[in-house]
Amino acid sequence: DAKTTQPTSMDCAEGRAANLPCNHSTISGNEYVYWYRQIHSQGPQYIIHGLKNNETNEMASLIITEDRKSSTLILPHATLRDTAVYYCIVPPFGTGANNLFFGTGTRLTVIP
Amino acid sequence: DGGITQSPKYLFRKEGQNVTLSCEQNLNHDAMYWYRQDPGQGLRLIYYSQIVNDFQKGDIAEGYSVSREKKESFPLTVTSAQKNPTAFYLCASSAFVSNEKLFFGSGTQLSVL
Repeated sequence: DAKTTQPTSMDCAEGRAANLPCNHSTISGNEYVYWYRQIHSQGPQYIIHGLKNNETNEMASLIITEDRKSSTLILPHATLRDTAVYYCIVPPFGTGANNLFFGTGTRLTVIP
Repeated sequence: DGGITQSPKYLFRKEGQNVTLSCEQNLNHDAMYWYRQDPGQGLRLIYYSQIVNDFQKGDIAEGYSVSREKKESFPLTVTSAQKNPTAFYLCASSAFVSNEKLFFGSGTQLSVL
């Protein structure tokens, strides 16, 4: 299964774009990249996922490099409510949600 | 409002006592999960259930038990055999176990008196 590497913490100014990187250099061709976030003392929240094309929804954009070895989650206009721990997850293909590994993620702090 | 409801928000356990954490979902999801989170750490899977009357152990099942008698409900019992139960417990569901989009409840903080 593809292991992911994320920075431990990042800061972002309110109103600016937050770009959260994730390395997954051992990803297989059919494995998806998932992003979740966890606001303090709450349950994680699904953000977005993708295979190889860039994806966008109402919460964020996901940019996956052409070789698929890394990705970036973009929050286009960060607000204070975006302060959270962000998890980048690459589950082994075909093994199910019971194999989603939520590590320590990136702690994003949005600064006023 | 569809979602997952966990109760209580805070729970205290005395030595030697079993306690049960409630998890209810109205999303009509087949699969449900229980995770444990210690301070500053990630999530660890305790148990999961793919369908009613079926459940499997996760990575840290010792000292815990579950039941899945109804599709909507997946209660977790923390038994007296769990010697370090203080943690934040999270329940989640997905449409099927093969669907990796999880929906989480707001969690229960369990502490030992």
